[in-house]
Amino acid sequence: EDKVVQSPLSLVVHEGDTVTLNCSYEVTNFRSLLWYKQEKKAPTFLFMLTSSGIEKKSGRLSSILDKKELFSILNITATQTGDSAIYLCAVEEQGAQKLVFGQGTRLTINP
Amino acid sequence: NAGVTQTPKFQVLKTGQSMTLQCAQDMNHEYMSWYRQDPGMGLRLIHYSVGAGITDQGEVPNGYNVSRSTTEDFPLRLLSAAPSQTSVYFCASSSQAIRNTEAFFGQGTRLTVV
Repeated sequence: EDKVVQSPLSLVVHEGDTVTLNCSYEVTNFRSLLWYKQEKKAPTFLFMLTSSGIEKKSGRLSSILDKKELFSILNITATQTGDSAIYLCAVEEQGAQKLVFGQGTRLTINP
Repeated sequence: NAGVTQTPKFQVLKTGQSMTLQCAQDMNHEYMSWYRQDPGMGLRLIHYSVGAGITDQGEVPNGYNVSRSTTEDFPLRLLSAAPSQTSVYFCASSSQAIRNTEAFFGQGTRLTVV
C-alpha cells in the first residue's frame, strides 16, 4: 500500500528562522512528488518533483527529491508570518492517476 | 476564470439524510477526484474519474457514490449521512493530456453530520 509520511506534524518558529519540512514515501512505481500549501481553504500548488537532486526554487521556498532514499524536503528561508499554513506532500504513482497525501505539517510563524 | 467550483461551501445534515456535493471545472480536465480532509490525516482520496463515464474507488469510498456523465461535472453523493462523514471535502481536477499532474482544488465544502 502506498504511504506518505510527513514530519514534523507541527512546527512553531519565529519570523526570520529557516525551516525544513520532510516527506518520505513508499510507492510501487513512483511518478512524481508534489508539495502544496494550504492556508484557510484549498491547497495551492508549490512544486512538482520528478528527478533526484534537482532543486526547485520559488523565492524563499525550495525543494529537492532523493529517489534513492525516497524522501523530499521543503525549505523555507527567512520565514514570514504569511508562511503559516499546512504544508502537504503528495505522491503520484505511474499509471495510478491519483495522489496519495501525507498528513501535512502545520507550520506556525510567530512575529 | 472559475477553475474548480464546489457547492455548497457549508452544509449541516442530520444522520440518515442524503445530499449531493457538486463539483464543476471549466478547464476541460480529464481527471477529477474527491478528497476528504480530517484533522491530522491529510487528504484521503474517496473516488476519482479519469474521464466521462469512468469512475473508480479511492482509499475511503464507503458511504459515497459518484458519477461522471460529463467532462465538467463530478458530483459526490452521500446516500445516508453518518457522523463519521463530518469532514471538509475537496474536489480536484487535472489534465492528463499534458504531463503535468498539478491538481487544481476547489475551495472545499465543510460538512457536519449531527
